[in-house]
Amino acid sequence: GIQVEQSPPDLILQEGANSTLRCNFSDSVNNLQWFHQNPWGQLINLFYIPSGTKQNGRLSATTVATERYSLLYISSSQTTDSGVYFCAVEAQGGSEKLVFGKGTKLTVNP
Amino acid sequence: GAVVSQHPSRVICKSGTSVKIECRSLDFQATTMFWYRQFPKQSLMLMATSNEGSKATYEQGVEKDKFLINHASLTLSTLTVTSAHPEDSSFYICSARDIGGVETQYFGPGTRLLVL
Repeated sequence: GIQVEQSPPDLILQEGANSTLRCNFSDSVNNLQWFHQNPWGQLINLFYIPSGTKQNGRLSATTVATERYSLLYISSSQTTDSGVYFCAVEAQGGSEKLVFGKGTKLTVNP
Repeated sequence: GAVVSQHPSRVICKSGTSVKIECRSLDFQATTMFWYRQFPKQSLMLMATSNEGSKATYEQGVEKDKFLINHASLTLSTLTVTSAHPEDSSFYICSARDIGGVETQYFGPGTRLLVL
């Protein structure tokens, strides 16, 4: 099945810093989503981005489908950005199933 | 829009009992819902795909007789953990795909199960 690798596994930042999270996947995809899991476990949809670039406030994401990777950019980080960021993909010709990466744990210190 | 609820949010039960978890899409219809399991500090693992009006499809290694799934309507899927044991303690999360939307999956808030 499709493999999803996220890097880095852990990231510690000072408030105000910028960061880039990476998601590599091993096959062509129909769907790619970025999520933020808050401390209570809720998965928050950040982006649906199987290709191209999107921006939402301080967050933006780019997926280069031909090279099988996606990047999540967080600018001017805040303490509330702390949590785990997951990338999840649905393989082409698949069955709507999302395969999750292991996540990047982000800690933003004041 | 695109809200998915789960009930209960937290449950503690004795070993050997059964627990039912409900997943509802509140403002959209979903022919397909998904059930995931997440252990502490780990990623989400898909357990099964729940299809409205038909049998669920289970992932390899998931016991279908232990984790009963029913998808009785376009807005409700249930997961029943039968004869629960302490190793079933976990965070269970459901998701749903909007039948009329793009391929985005929307996730519920999760249910924490503790089996004593």
